[in-house]
Amino acid sequence: DQQVKQNSPSLSVQEGRISILNCDYTNSMFDYFLWYKKYPAEGPTFLISISSIKDKNEDGRFTVFLNKSAKHLSLHIVPSQPGDSAVYFCAASATGNQFYFGTGTSLTVIP
Amino acid sequence: AAGVIQSPRHLIKEKRETATLKCYPIPRHDTVYWYQQGPGQDPQFLISFYEKMQSDKGSIPDRFSAQQFSDYHSELNMSSLELGDSALYFCASSHGRLGSMTGGIQYFGAGTRLSVL
Repeated sequence: DQQVKQNSPSLSVQEGRISILNCDYTNSMFDYFLWYKKYPAEGPTFLISISSIKDKNEDGRFTVFLNKSAKHLSLHIVPSQPGDSAVYFCAASATGNQFYFGTGTSLTVIP
Repeated sequence: AAGVIQSPRHLIKEKRETATLKCYPIPRHDTVYWYQQGPGQDPQFLISFYEKMQSDKGSIPDRFSAQQFSDYHSELNMSSLELGDSALYFCASSHGRLGSMTGGIQYFGAGTRLSVL
């Protein structure tokens, strides 16, 4: 049973525009969420996190929004750059060290 | 900066053979996690160790075992390999657990690609 879902397997965005990646989860006990970026032949790289006590966390061009009532989080990248092209995973945890990952969204930023 | 190191990067085995994957965490990280990512799938949590003790267990088959050694490196031992074990195996490390000051953010290695023929 997939507890974390990323329903868009791919996304294409023009350079300079906003990229919005979405993630839904089913377990209401999840209270910590992370976004990872993965390039081919490399391991996932931590991008940004958010805990359930917040609804927004911003780090440079990256902002994560959390809507607990909808069990939904999103990652906004603005402005998008060609180097942002990668697979993005969201992951969630329920105050433990076991994280559940989504299936990933492949982002392509077109120059 | 030092990252998580996994060895080997690629491994080819035949059915029913055994395999050992190694993970060297970032210095001063005390927690190690193992994940399995099949083709087109999300990473699935297998097992984690905190201060050399098993801390969480996920979907790790009974044919697999793992341990964390005194120097904090970890090894994932896989026996009686099956075709379905072919996957990318990631190791991640963190300093502290969720809820601690450092938040337990996991840093991943590049992975070991295991192919079972």
